[in-house]
Amino acid sequence: QVQLQESGPGLVRPSETLSLICTVSGYSLSSGYYWGWIRQPPGKGLEWIGTVYYIGSTYYNPSLRSRVTISLDTSKNQFSLNLSYVTAADTAVYFCARILTGPYHFDSWGQGTLVTVSS
Amino acid sequence: EIVLTQSPGTLSLSPGQRATLSCRASQSVSSSYLAWYHQKPGQAPRLLIYGASSRATGIADRFSGSGSGTDFTLTISRLEPEDFAVYYCQQYGGSSWTFGQGTKVEIK
Repeated sequence: QVQLQESGPGLVRPSETLSLICTVSGYSLSSGYYWGWIRQPPGKGLEWIGTVYYIGSTYYNPSLRSRVTISLDTSKNQFSLNLSYVTAADTAVYFCARILTGPYHFDSWGQGTLVTVSS
Repeated sequence: EIVLTQSPGTLSLSPGQRATLSCRASQSVSSSYLAWYHQKPGQAPRLLIYGASSRATGIADRFSGSGSGTDFTLTISRLEPEDFAVYYCQQYGGSSWTFGQGTKVEIK
């Protein structure tokens, strides 16, 4: 059974880069599937940030594309999120998730991690 | 980008009642790529329905999904206490994923 766990700083200063890692257990990233990041501002809905395919192809939300980088580290079975030039509007719970190839839905999720942008 | 609009924003019902949630897309969505989730406070979303009408593993048969094109529906036949939560629809198309803004099902 696949498990995902987000990790990273809980506080980031404005204009800096938010960096998170998703560690996957129970499945090898190099074997397949898409892997994604989703965020949820406090009290609001879900927003897809971006996705990486197991061969390294990436897909980003157009509204965030200029600031987002998602990458794989198959040697550590992790994938990461970098979001640059953050503002208070980037304060959110950040989730990582697995996406099934073909139906393209998010079938397994991490528990989420709250990142606050504040000076 | 395909925009998903869910209605109503809030649904106030009693346990045992039927819930009908709507998800409307700004352009046609493949039924294969339409999913529903529910989310309880402090938890990650959980997949309920995929391919518009297929129940995910372990999901009770009181949950059903239907629809095609731009109009999709999630129905909960008889609400149980654990079903009071926020529900989201999600679609995939053109290498992009989007979520609806959510419908909160609350206890009346």
